[in-house]
Formats: sequence, C-alpha cells, structure tokens
Amino acid sequence: GIQVEQSPPDLILQEGANSTLRCNFSDSVNNLQWFHQNPWGQLINLFYIPSGTKQNGRLSATTVATERYSLLYISSSQTTDSGVYFCAVHTGTASKLTFGTGTRLQVTL
Amino acid sequence: DTEVTQTPKHLVMGMTNKKSLKCEQHMGHRAMYWYKQKAKKPPELMFVYSYEKLSINESVPSRFSPECPNSSLLNLHLHALQPEDSALYLCASSQITGARYEQYFGPGTRLTVT
Repeated sequence: GIQVEQSPPDLILQEGANSTLRCNFSDSVNNLQWFHQNPWGQLINLFYIPSGTKQNGRLSATTVATERYSLLYISSSQTTDSGVYFCAVHTGTASKLTFGTGTRLQVTL
Repeated sequence: DTEVTQTPKHLVMGMTNKKSLKCEQHMGHRAMYWYKQKAKKPPELMFVYSYEKLSINESVPSRFSPECPNSSLLNLHLHALQPEDSALYLCASSQITGARYEQYFGPGTRLTVT
C-alpha cells in the first residue's frame, strides 16, 4: 500500500516563530487533507488540497502532486497551535484515507 | 454545519461486557467510517459504509460489529474486547458523489478495556 511519511516527527517552537511541515507520499493520490489533532483528540480539518496552494489565516498549504509531496506552513505560531498535524491521502477507492506518520508540534511562550 | 457527534466521550468496560459506540451526522453524507487510533499513532481505518452498506472491512476482529441503521447514524457494537483494544475510536463522514471526498471527524470515544 501507499506510504505517507511526515517530517519532522517532533517540533518545538517559541510563540511567534514560523514553521514548515512536510508530507511525502509514495504513489499517486486523488486528494490530500491536512488535519490538526488537538490535545483532546479532535481532528480538525485544515485543508483539502489535491494540488496548488491554499491559505487560511496564518496557515497555508501547497501540494505538488506530480512530485508527491505537500507542505503546511504555520506563521506566527501560537500556543493553541500545539498538537499533532497529520496529512492524509485519498487513493484508489476515494473512500480510503491513509494517514501520515504525524508531526507533533509544541509551541512554548 | 460540518459536525459529526459521537457518544459516549469516554467508556470503561470489562472484557465480558457488551457496549456500543454511536456516531451521528446531519450533513447529508452517504459515506461513514470508523477509525481506531492508538496512543502516539495515526488513525487506522476499520470500516467504511457507503449508502448504508458495508463496503470496506479492514480485517477487523469479529468482536467489533458495525451497524448503519440509516444514512445519519453509525454504531459500533463491542463484545468480549481485549485490553489491547483500548484506544480512541473516531467516526467520520464524507460525500460519495462528485469530486470532493473530504472527510469530517467526530471528537472520538476514548475506550478503556479492563
């Protein structure tokens, strides 16, 4: 099956810093989602981005499907950004969503 | 509204108990999903229902029994679980038709098997 790797696995930032999270996938995908999982376990939809670039406030994402990667940019980080960030890809059967390994982000004061 | 609800939030059960997890969505989605997430791991797909019919079972043990009574509801019946089944159980839903299959997740049920 498809492999989805994220880097870095762990990241500690001071409040106000910027960061880039990367998602690499081993095969062609139909679509890609980015999620933020908060400390209570809720998965929050950030982006649905099969290709191109999207922005939402301090967050933006870019997917280059032909090169099999996606990037999530977080600017001016806040403590509420802490948690785990997952990318997840839709392959073959559109119903099947495969999650990446995750990036655990901690934002400190 | 992009809300998926799950009950209960927390559940502690013994290995001989029978319990059920419930999931509900009112977005008109015709696909619903169960995922299992162990600590410090990504969610893993368990079951997919499309138009209220089971379309994917990822080789899940029979002690987990899914049910989709109608297009808005999804249940997961639990029986004779093992301590290693303790995990966060997540429900999700999505459209089936069209090009957008974005999945939306509920808050999860944190299950502890004693």
